[in-house]
Amino acid sequence: EDQVTQSPEALRLQEGESSSLNCSYTVSGLRGLFWYRQDPGKGPEFLFTLYSAGEEKEKERLKATLTKKESFLHITAPKPEDSATYLCAVANQAGTALIFGKGTTLSVSS
Amino acid sequence: GAVVSQHPSWVICKSGTSVKIECRSLDFQATTMFWYRQFPKQSLMLMATSNEGSKATYEQGVEKDKFLINHASLTLSTLTVTSAHPEDSSFYICSAQPDYGAYNEQFFGPGTRLTVL
Repeated sequence: EDQVTQSPEALRLQEGESSSLNCSYTVSGLRGLFWYRQDPGKGPEFLFTLYSAGEEKEKERLKATLTKKESFLHITAPKPEDSATYLCAVANQAGTALIFGKGTTLSVSS
Repeated sequence: GAVVSQHPSWVICKSGTSVKIECRSLDFQATTMFWYRQFPKQSLMLMATSNEGSKATYEQGVEKDKFLINHASLTLSTLTVTSAHPEDSSFYICSAQPDYGAYNEQFFGPGTRLTVL
Protein backbone atom coordinates (compact mmCIF):
# COMPACT_ATOMS: atom_id res chain seq x y z
CA GLU A 1 0.00 0.00 0.00
CA ASP A 2 1.30 3.44 -0.93
CA GLN A 3 2.12 5.50 2.12
CA VAL A 4 3.62 8.83 3.12
CA THR A 5 4.99 9.46 6.61
CA GLN A 6 6.15 12.87 7.78
CA SER A 7 8.31 13.60 10.80
CA PRO A 8 8.40 15.24 13.18
CA GLU A 9 4.73 15.94 13.73
CA ALA A 10 5.58 19.32 15.21
CA LEU A 11 8.78 21.36 15.31
CA ARG A 12 9.58 24.48 17.28
CA LEU A 13 12.56 26.57 16.21
CA GLN A 14 14.11 29.84 17.21
CA GLU A 15 14.48 32.41 14.49
CA GLY A 16 17.68 31.63 12.58
CA GLU A 17 17.85 28.02 13.79
CA SER A 18 18.09 25.86 10.67
CA SER A 19 16.50 22.41 10.54
CA SER A 20 15.01 19.76 8.26
CA LEU A 21 11.62 18.13 7.84
CA ASN A 22 11.40 14.53 6.69
CA CYS A 23 9.00 12.80 4.31
CA SER A 24 9.38 9.03 3.94
CA TYR A 25 7.40 7.27 1.26
CA THR A 26 6.60 3.88 -0.16
CA VAL A 27 4.94 4.08 -3.53
CA SER A 28 4.44 1.87 -6.57
CA GLY A 29 6.26 3.84 -9.23
CA LEU A 30 6.88 7.39 -8.10
CA ARG A 31 5.48 9.91 -10.58
CA GLY A 32 6.36 12.91 -8.44
CA LEU A 33 6.84 14.13 -4.88
CA PHE A 34 5.27 17.43 -3.90
CA TRP A 35 5.75 19.85 -1.03
CA TYR A 36 3.05 22.28 0.03
CA ARG A 37 2.76 24.87 2.75
CA GLN A 38 -0.57 25.36 4.50
CA ASP A 39 -1.48 28.24 6.79
CA PRO A 40 -4.39 27.83 9.24
CA GLY A 41 -7.77 28.15 7.54
CA LYS A 42 -6.29 28.29 4.05
CA GLY A 43 -5.65 25.93 1.17
CA PRO A 44 -2.21 24.42 0.57
CA GLU A 45 0.27 26.57 -1.31
CA PHE A 46 2.45 24.79 -3.85
CA LEU A 47 6.18 24.84 -3.10
CA PHE A 48 8.09 22.19 -5.04
CA THR A 49 7.84 19.16 -7.30
CA LEU A 50 10.62 16.56 -7.36
CA TYR A 51 10.66 13.70 -9.83
CA SER A 52 13.84 11.69 -9.46
CA ALA A 53 16.39 10.75 -6.82
CA GLY A 54 19.14 13.31 -6.51
CA GLU A 55 16.97 16.18 -7.59
CA GLU A 56 17.06 19.39 -5.52
CA LYS A 57 15.00 22.59 -5.68
CA GLU A 58 15.31 25.84 -3.78
CA LYS A 59 13.06 28.77 -3.02
CA GLU A 60 14.21 31.50 -0.67
CA ARG A 61 15.02 29.80 2.66
CA LEU A 62 13.64 26.42 1.59
CA LYS A 63 15.44 23.60 -0.16
CA ALA A 64 13.86 20.26 -1.06
CA THR A 65 15.84 17.11 -1.81
CA LEU A 66 14.80 13.63 -2.90
CA THR A 67 16.21 10.13 -2.49
CA LYS A 68 14.66 6.80 -3.45
CA LYS A 69 12.99 6.49 -0.05
CA GLU A 70 12.57 9.97 1.35
CA SER A 71 12.56 13.68 0.83
CA PHE A 72 13.85 16.45 3.06
CA LEU A 73 12.69 20.02 3.29
CA HIS A 74 15.59 22.05 4.64
CA ILE A 75 14.81 25.40 6.22
CA THR A 76 17.77 27.73 6.52
CA ALA A 77 17.69 30.58 9.04
CA PRO A 78 13.91 30.47 9.42
CA LYS A 79 11.82 33.50 10.22
CA PRO A 80 8.51 33.67 12.14
CA GLU A 81 6.65 34.00 8.84
CA ASP A 82 7.82 30.50 7.92
CA SER A 83 5.52 29.14 10.62
CA ALA A 84 2.96 26.87 8.92
CA THR A 85 2.12 23.23 8.32
CA TYR A 86 4.24 21.66 5.60
CA LEU A 87 2.62 18.85 3.64
CA CYS A 88 4.33 16.21 1.55
CA ALA A 89 2.47 14.25 -1.13
CA VAL A 90 3.32 11.66 -3.75
CA ALA A 91 1.80 10.61 -7.04
CA ASN A 92 2.00 6.96 -8.07
CA GLN A 93 1.72 5.32 -11.44
CA ALA A 94 -1.87 4.24 -10.90
CA GLY A 95 -3.51 7.60 -11.24
CA THR A 96 -3.48 11.34 -10.82
CA ALA A 97 -4.63 11.60 -7.19
CA LEU A 98 -2.01 12.61 -4.63
CA ILE A 99 -1.32 10.69 -1.44
CA PHE A 100 -0.69 13.11 1.42
CA GLY A 101 1.24 12.77 4.63
CA LYS A 102 -0.17 14.19 7.85
CA GLY A 103 2.14 17.17 7.77
CA THR A 104 4.71 18.82 10.01
CA THR A 105 3.61 21.91 11.91
CA LEU A 106 6.50 24.34 12.17
CA SER A 107 6.56 27.16 14.70
CA VAL A 108 9.34 29.73 14.52
CA SER A 109 9.67 32.18 17.38
CA SER A 110 11.63 35.41 17.40
CA GLY B 1 -0.06 32.04 -12.56
CA ALA B 2 -1.84 28.82 -11.50
CA VAL B 3 -4.52 30.48 -9.37
CA VAL B 4 -7.54 28.56 -8.11
CA SER B 5 -10.49 30.27 -6.48
CA GLN B 6 -13.34 28.90 -4.37
CA HIS B 7 -16.68 30.41 -3.59
CA PRO B 8 -17.98 30.91 -1.01
CA SER B 9 -15.09 31.05 1.45
CA TRP B 10 -17.46 30.20 4.27
CA VAL B 11 -21.11 29.23 4.58
CA ILE B 12 -23.50 28.53 7.43
CA CYS B 13 -26.65 26.62 6.68
CA LYS B 14 -29.50 24.83 8.42
CA SER B 15 -29.67 21.08 8.64
CA GLY B 16 -31.46 19.58 5.64
CA THR B 17 -30.54 22.27 3.15
CA SER B 18 -28.17 21.93 0.19
CA VAL B 19 -25.01 23.93 -0.34
CA LYS B 20 -23.08 24.46 -3.56
CA ILE B 21 -19.35 25.23 -3.60
CA GLU B 22 -17.62 26.46 -6.75
CA CYS B 23 -14.01 25.84 -7.72
CA ARG B 24 -12.50 27.81 -10.60
CA SER B 25 -9.11 27.74 -12.24
CA LEU B 26 -8.56 31.39 -13.11
CA ASP B 27 -5.61 31.37 -15.48
CA PHE B 28 -5.39 27.83 -16.83
CA GLN B 29 -7.55 25.00 -18.08
CA ALA B 30 -7.98 21.89 -15.98
CA THR B 31 -9.54 18.72 -17.29
CA THR B 32 -9.06 17.20 -13.85
CA MET B 33 -9.97 18.73 -10.52
CA PHE B 34 -10.10 17.22 -7.06
CA TRP B 35 -12.21 17.72 -3.96
CA TYR B 36 -10.77 17.24 -0.50
CA ARG B 37 -12.10 17.46 3.01
CA GLN B 38 -10.02 18.46 6.01
CA PHE B 39 -10.88 18.11 9.68
CA PRO B 40 -9.14 20.23 12.33
CA LYS B 41 -5.46 19.39 12.75
CA GLN B 42 -5.70 16.58 10.21
CA SER B 43 -4.39 16.17 6.70
CA LEU B 44 -6.38 16.36 3.50
CA MET B 45 -8.74 13.51 2.69
CA LEU B 46 -9.48 13.02 -0.99
CA MET B 47 -13.22 12.80 -1.62
CA ALA B 48 -13.42 12.58 -5.38
CA THR B 49 -11.69 13.16 -8.69
CA SER B 50 -13.63 15.31 -11.12
CA ASN B 51 -13.07 15.08 -14.88
CA GLU B 52 -14.54 17.56 -17.32
CA GLY B 53 -17.42 16.09 -19.26
CA SER B 54 -17.59 12.82 -17.36
CA LYS B 55 -18.77 11.44 -14.05
CA ALA B 56 -16.67 12.00 -10.97
CA THR B 57 -14.76 9.15 -9.36
CA TYR B 58 -15.49 8.93 -5.65
CA GLU B 59 -13.20 7.53 -2.98
CA GLN B 60 -14.35 4.59 -0.92
CA GLY B 61 -16.74 5.65 1.80
CA VAL B 62 -17.80 8.91 0.15
CA GLU B 63 -21.51 9.01 -0.69
CA LYS B 64 -21.91 10.07 -4.29
CA ASP B 65 -25.58 10.95 -3.80
CA LYS B 66 -24.73 13.25 -0.94
CA PHE B 67 -21.73 14.98 -2.48
CA LEU B 68 -22.70 15.82 -6.05
CA ILE B 69 -19.88 16.90 -8.32
CA ASN B 70 -20.28 18.62 -11.67
CA HIS B 71 -17.31 19.51 -13.88
CA ALA B 72 -19.08 21.23 -16.75
CA SER B 73 -16.18 23.22 -18.17
CA LEU B 74 -12.40 23.22 -18.23
CA THR B 75 -12.28 25.93 -15.56
CA LEU B 76 -15.18 25.13 -13.24
CA SER B 77 -16.10 22.28 -10.93
CA THR B 78 -18.87 22.39 -8.34
CA LEU B 79 -19.49 20.36 -5.21
CA THR B 80 -23.05 20.27 -3.87
CA VAL B 81 -23.58 18.95 -0.38
CA THR B 82 -27.18 17.74 -0.42
CA SER B 83 -29.37 17.57 2.68
CA ALA B 84 -26.50 18.74 4.83
CA HIS B 85 -26.23 17.63 8.45
CA PRO B 86 -23.97 18.81 11.28
CA GLU B 87 -21.53 15.96 10.63
CA ASP B 88 -20.91 17.43 7.18
CA SER B 89 -19.42 20.52 8.79
CA SER B 90 -15.82 20.69 7.63
CA PHE B 91 -13.26 22.54 5.55
CA TYR B 92 -13.65 21.67 1.87
CA ILE B 93 -10.75 22.33 -0.48
CA CYS B 94 -10.53 21.86 -4.23
CA SER B 95 -7.47 21.54 -6.41
CA ALA B 96 -6.93 21.75 -10.14
CA GLN B 97 -4.38 20.01 -12.30
CA PRO B 98 -3.29 22.16 -15.26
CA ASP B 99 -3.62 20.59 -18.69
CA TYR B 100 -0.20 22.00 -19.51
CA GLY B 101 3.06 21.48 -17.70
CA ALA B 102 4.33 19.04 -15.12
CA TYR B 103 2.52 15.78 -14.63
CA ASN B 104 0.42 15.54 -11.48
CA GLU B 105 1.02 19.05 -10.20
CA GLN B 106 -2.04 20.33 -8.42
CA PHE B 107 -2.86 23.85 -7.30
CA PHE B 108 -5.26 24.36 -4.45
CA GLY B 109 -8.06 26.78 -3.79
CA PRO B 110 -8.32 28.72 -0.51
CA GLY B 111 -10.96 26.38 0.90
CA THR B 112 -14.59 26.70 2.00
CA ARG B 113 -15.59 26.43 5.65
CA LEU B 114 -19.01 24.77 5.91
CA THR B 115 -20.94 24.90 9.16
CA VAL B 116 -24.26 23.07 9.37
CA LEU B 117 -26.48 24.03 12.28
